[in-house]
Amino acid sequence: NAGVTQTPKFRILKIGQSMTLQCAQDMNHNYMYWYRQDPGMGLKLIYYSVGAGITDKGEVPNGYNVSRSTTEDFPLRLELAAPSQTSVYFCASSYEDRGMFFGSGTQLSVL
Amino acid sequence: GIQVEQSPPDLILQEGANSTLRCNFSDSVNNLQWFHQNPWGQLINLFYIPSGTKQNGRLSATTVATERYSLLYISSSQTTDSGVYFCAVGSSNTGKLIFGQGTTLQVKP
Repeated sequence: NAGVTQTPKFRILKIGQSMTLQCAQDMNHNYMYWYRQDPGMGLKLIYYSVGAGITDKGEVPNGYNVSRSTTEDFPLRLELAAPSQTSVYFCASSYEDRGMFFGSGTQLSVL
Repeated sequence: GIQVEQSPPDLILQEGANSTLRCNFSDSVNNLQWFHQNPWGQLINLFYIPSGTKQNGRLSATTVATERYSLLYISSSQTTDSGVYFCAVGSSNTGKLIFGQGTTLQVKP
């Protein structure tokens, strides 16, 4: 099992550009999450999903969108990138809300 | 929303020492997890412990849900224990997990 796979690992965007961060898991987990971590800080929940077709906002959803068309995939879309979105993004999954597994992260810079 | 407070924010230990990390939360929870983030940024789940006590090798955790706190014990610390320890809590069956700010641990040889 690959676990939780995030792509890309690094990305530099210009202000106003858009991009999609990909996340896939092969553990048949029903719950999936997107967090961001700013330098020296904790993790902030952006969006989460408790199953295919179901998504909900977390603590900091503004500027992001998600979709969950399959159990395996949970992409995060950034529209009109801003410098405030410079961060490390982590995707995670769990069976129900137990034992969360994280991907290796995507380091995003918006310049 | 629920508030999560971790203490201490920073901790420096000599190899072999024991330590206790604390997580306080502002409301009743039905989900509590402890994570370790290593110096390379990788996040590893240590415990799923909404109540009671669990042990895994040199690490153990206790959650007293009625008093709204959890403790993570690290015994005989090693340099590989260095990193940031996070507590995350959920207060309903929605799947929403909120993280504390973390405790940064440095273990010196």
